[in-house]
Amino acid sequence: EVQLVESGGGLVQPGGSLRLSCAASGFTFSAYDFHWVRQVTGKGLEWVSSIGTVGDTYYLGSVKGRFIISREDARNSVSLQMNNLRAEDSALYHCVRARHGFHYWGQGTQVTVSS
Amino acid sequence: QSLVTQPPSASGTPGQRVTISCSGRSSNIGSQDVYWYQHLPGATPKLLIYHSDQRPSGVPDRFSASKSGTSASLAIGGLRSEDEADYYCAVWDASLRIHVFGTGTAVTVL
Repeated sequence: EVQLVESGGGLVQPGGSLRLSCAASGFTFSAYDFHWVRQVTGKGLEWVSSIGTVGDTYYLGSVKGRFIISREDARNSVSLQMNNLRAEDSALYHCVRARHGFHYWGQGTQVTVSS
Repeated sequence: QSLVTQPPSASGTPGQRVTISCSGRSSNIGSQDVYWYQHLPGATPKLLIYHSDQRPSGVPDRFSASKSGTSASLAIGGLRSEDEADYYCAVWDASLRIHVFGTGTAVTVL
């Protein structure tokens, strides 16, 4: 069974940092791209970042230079290092496995940026 | 201004056909595959359509999609109460090199 379990969310002050992690199981981790997608309660989905099987990375413009996505195939894990956080980064962050679309989604980890 | 726009809401009675539009640009819908997702309350989004018009296994054939130019559409035939959800299109923007979700459409079954 495919499982994606996020962790690392929480309450942080503006300008602070958080590191989100996604632990994957039930499939060959190295064969897939991974994405982070966020959603503010009552609002739409927003793609944040992705990392491909060869480590190629992409970022939403508003997070470029502040967020870093990485993967450790040996540990079946993908991470999102979030620095200089802003109030508008507050959202539920989902880890997503992708191939021909965003097929499998984790339940998400909540990030709240507030003083 | 959103790169990919959808009507905020759509509705129909049980059994009716509802169509949701998704409007973009040449750099995204005009040249890339479109994906559609169903987001039920309390659940994670579910992939309904990939490669603009293909259904993953397990998705009923009541759901169909098409693309023409810089627009795409999702049709739900034989509307059921369990179809009440938010629906999003998504596409890669080749110019900005980002994935983009549409603004989302809330479908209500009257």
